Amino acid sequence: GQQVMQIPQYQHVQEGEDFTTYCNSSTTLSNIQWYKQRPGGHPVFLIQLVKSGEVKKQKRLTFQFGEAKKNSSLHITATQTTDVGTYFCASGRTTDSWGKLQFGAGTQVVVTP
Amino acid sequence: GAVVSQHPSRVICKSGTSVKIECRSLDFQATTMFWYRQFPKQSLMLMATSNEGSKATYEQGVEKDKFLINHASLTLSTLTVTSAHPEDSSFYICSASSGFGQPQHFGDGTRLSIL
Repeated sequence: GQQVMQIPQYQHVQEGEDFTTYCNSSTTLSNIQWYKQRPGGHPVFLIQLVKSGEVKKQKRLTFQFGEAKKNSSLHITATQTTDVGTYFCASGRTTDSWGKLQFGAGTQVVVTP
Repeated sequence: GAVVSQHPSRVICKSGTSVKIECRSLDFQATTMFWYRQFPKQSLMLMATSNEGSKATYEQGVEKDKFLINHASLTLSTLTVTSAHPEDSSFYICSASSGFGQPQHFGDGTRLSIL
C-alpha cells in the first residue's frame, strides 16, 4: 500500500542552526500535509501542499512539494527551543474518498540551547 | 477556530471494564472523524473512520466489536473500548475534518491505562 517514508527519525539541533526533514514516497501523492506534535501534546496542522513544485513559507519554516509529487521537505531556519517536537508528514490515500491520511514515522526534533 | 475537544484525557481502570471516549468538534461541523492509536515515540496508527449517520469503517486488523464507534451528529463521535485489557493500554486520539482534502484537527488525546 501507499507509504510515506520520513527521514531522519531523530534530529538533534543546536539552537540557531538550520535543519531539514524529508518525506518520500514511491508513488505519486495527491497532496502532502505537515503536522507538529509537541511532547505530551496532540498533532497540530501546519500546512498542506497540493501542486507540483509548490513552495510555502511560514516564518522560519519552508515547505516544499517535489516536481514529481513523490517527495516533500520541511526546512527550519535559525532553530529555536520552541521548535522542539515531532514533525509528521501525511498524505491523502489515493484510493480513499473520506480524507484518510497516511502518516510518516515522524522526525523527533531536540533543540540544544 | 477548528477546535476539537476530547475527553476524558486520562483513564485508569481495571481489566474487563468498558471505556468510552468522546470527541467533539466545537466550532465546525465534522463530516468525518478519525480515531488513531499512538504508541510512545511512534506515529499515528489509524484505527477507524467515522462518518455521521453511517457505520464506521475500520482499518485492517482492528476489531470492530472491540472498538465500537458511534458518530451520532456532525459534532460528536464516540469510541468505546469494550472489555478492555492491559494490551489495550495506549494513547487514543481523535481528529475531525470538515471535508475531503481538508486538514484534520486533533483532540488532546486520551491516555488509557488498564490494570
